[in-house]
Amino acid sequence: GAVVSQHPSRVICKSGTSVKIECRSLDFQATTMFWYRQFPKQSLMLMATSNEGSKATYEQGVEKDKFLINHASLTLSTLTVTSAHPEDSSFYICSALLGGGGYSNQPQHFGDGTRLSIL
Amino acid sequence: SQQGEEDPQALSIQEGENATMNCSYKTSINNLQWYRQNSGRGLVHLILIRSNEREKHSGRLRVTLDTSKKSSSLLITASRAADTASYFCATGYTGGFKTIFGAGTRLFVKA
Repeated sequence: GAVVSQHPSRVICKSGTSVKIECRSLDFQATTMFWYRQFPKQSLMLMATSNEGSKATYEQGVEKDKFLINHASLTLSTLTVTSAHPEDSSFYICSALLGGGGYSNQPQHFGDGTRLSIL
Repeated sequence: SQQGEEDPQALSIQEGENATMNCSYKTSINNLQWYRQNSGRGLVHLILIRSNEREKHSGRLRVTLDTSKKSSSLLITASRAADTASYFCATGYTGGFKTIFGAGTRLFVKA
């Protein structure tokens, strides 16, 4: 149980393109999802917390207009990297919480990540 | 920074040996979690230990928590080549809403 699907797994596109990444909870409803960015051999950097039906909460230093997050249903959150540039190339990972309650008091269920490469 | 720190950064052992990874953190926590990440994949939750617990087991995994030293350890017994991965500790801080991930330990188990 608690399967999270992330799509696509890899994207290669030209600079200036906008790229949408989907994160779906397949067998549960997720009120809260998280979006992370990970650089090679480094830890996860939280970009934003996505709550169904409300605006995402972005971490300090993350551009809201650059990284658009939509969580329109209890099973789907999307991250759109707008006008992507080479410096946006990275590994993006989403996660979802199975239950309610405090964010930090329960395990997160992760998707398999999206490798984004901007040429 | 509230980020936990894992030690060592990298660990190479032979199959069958035990692997121990340590995590230190800075402020009071509600719980501490350990995750595994295979190369190029997402993270998989391994175990959660609450601040009022001292030790927890799951199969070949043993996690300890010492809140007085603000540290935790993950022991993998009788390691296998399939255990090769990066291991991250993640802390839920008292009064906080986020889970903070450490820098990770890269474990390589040689067959």
